[in-house]
Amino acid sequence: EIVLTQSPATLSVSPGERATLSCRASQSVSGSVAWYQQKPGQAPRLLIFGASFRSTGIPARFSGSGSETDYTLTISSLQSEDFAVYYCQHYNNWPRTTFGQGTTVESK
Amino acid sequence: EVQLVESGGGLVKPGGSLKLSCAASGFNFSTYSMNWVRQAPGKGLEWVSSISSRSTYMHYPDSVKGRFTISRDNAKNSLYLQMDSLTVEDTAVYYCVRDTQFLGYDYWGQGILVTVSS
Repeated sequence: EIVLTQSPATLSVSPGERATLSCRASQSVSGSVAWYQQKPGQAPRLLIFGASFRSTGIPARFSGSGSETDYTLTISSLQSEDFAVYYCQHYNNWPRTTFGQGTTVESK
Repeated sequence: EVQLVESGGGLVKPGGSLKLSCAASGFNFSTYSMNWVRQAPGKGLEWVSSISSRSTYMHYPDSVKGRFTISRDNAKNSLYLQMDSLTVEDTAVYYCVRDTQFLGYDYWGQGILVTVSS
């Protein structure tokens, strides 16, 4: 089973600052990575698929990059509504999939 | 508008059974693979099961294999999860999720809580 490790566990950022979240796979997942945002009491929301493609309606301040085993989600200028937990997911063995343990983005 | 609405959750004793349902609307249900994903209290996301559009293939992680059964009724636009031999570790919010294969999990239900406790 491919394991995804997200870092850091918690990221403290001020509004307007840049946030960079990392997701590392235990073996290559060939760009088959998605990112989700989850706010308290809500279902996750798809942000990025295919490592770098924004889902419908996702603001341009969210961007994804990476290949092989290392992936990054960047929020270019953090807004107040972006404080949440972010999960990466791989689907290289679709339909089997695993998620990272999550990164909490909190207000500094 | 795509909607996924789960039902059937609740409190069950260890060793017991429960069947979750998910009513889908707003899209051509019969052409999508569907999944169940769960989230234990205060924890991360765990994929629980997947079913292909015509029920040809079903997949499970080892944590639930042999205990959970996913099924669907395309005529009723409904997805199901039969959960048997439940343990306290199965306590979680269960989400019904639409699968676009290589485009991610694009629609999620609001989730339904399953509590396994004596």
